[in-house]
Amino acid sequence: GEDVEQSLFLSVREGDSSVINCTYTDSSSTYLYWYKQEPGAGLQLLTYIFSNMDMKQDQRLTVLLNKKDKHLSLRIADTQTGDSAIYFCAEFQLSRDDKIIFGKGTRLHILP
Amino acid sequence: EAQVTQNPRYLITVTGKKLTVTCSQNMNHEYMSWYRQDPGLGLRQIYYSMNVEVTDKGDVPEGYKVSRKEKRNFPLILESPSPNQTSLYFCASSPGSLGGYTFGSGTRLTVV
Repeated sequence: GEDVEQSLFLSVREGDSSVINCTYTDSSSTYLYWYKQEPGAGLQLLTYIFSNMDMKQDQRLTVLLNKKDKHLSLRIADTQTGDSAIYFCAEFQLSRDDKIIFGKGTRLHILP
Repeated sequence: EAQVTQNPRYLITVTGKKLTVTCSQNMNHEYMSWYRQDPGLGLRQIYYSMNVEVTDKGDVPEGYKVSRKEKRNFPLILESPSPNQTSLYFCASSPGSLGGYTFGSGTRLTVV
């Protein structure tokens, strides 16, 4: 298929780590992205990873890429209430006329 | 401040009454795109533009028009809106088609 797949919901206790998973389809994808959408706002680019990398860390965010399984994950350490949002995975698909394909988003809910 | 500005933020209109949603970016980006976001369907691309006077259809272009007469502006035109175009619309821009989009804050359109 040509979809980017994500689970729709994730609940995490404040202070724990959140791991949001995504599977993509195009083995020739060059860039993979994570976007964050807070209520009432547009999408904000959080981080991206180039396909020749396995991992990228940026403060509390860690992106892991498993090219063999076409699996991408976003780990948020020490999850805080401000992390409550919808997180979108996206891939740049060379095989689809250089299109950016978004997943349907994972809603992260923070438990007190 | 680098940003994508959409107007209006909210719009309620009647079936068949032509409307335009404006989008402007101040980052000198070449690539601009329109998306609609619907529950359960995620983000779907309507139209995109790789440069001035260059536009192309996305995944759901029916019922929409765009123009790119200047680099900074990319208006979305609904010539004869219908209720199935009720949605949340986002404009986005990037330096190139590889992504790293900057999104506008969104326009919530209701067609009655």
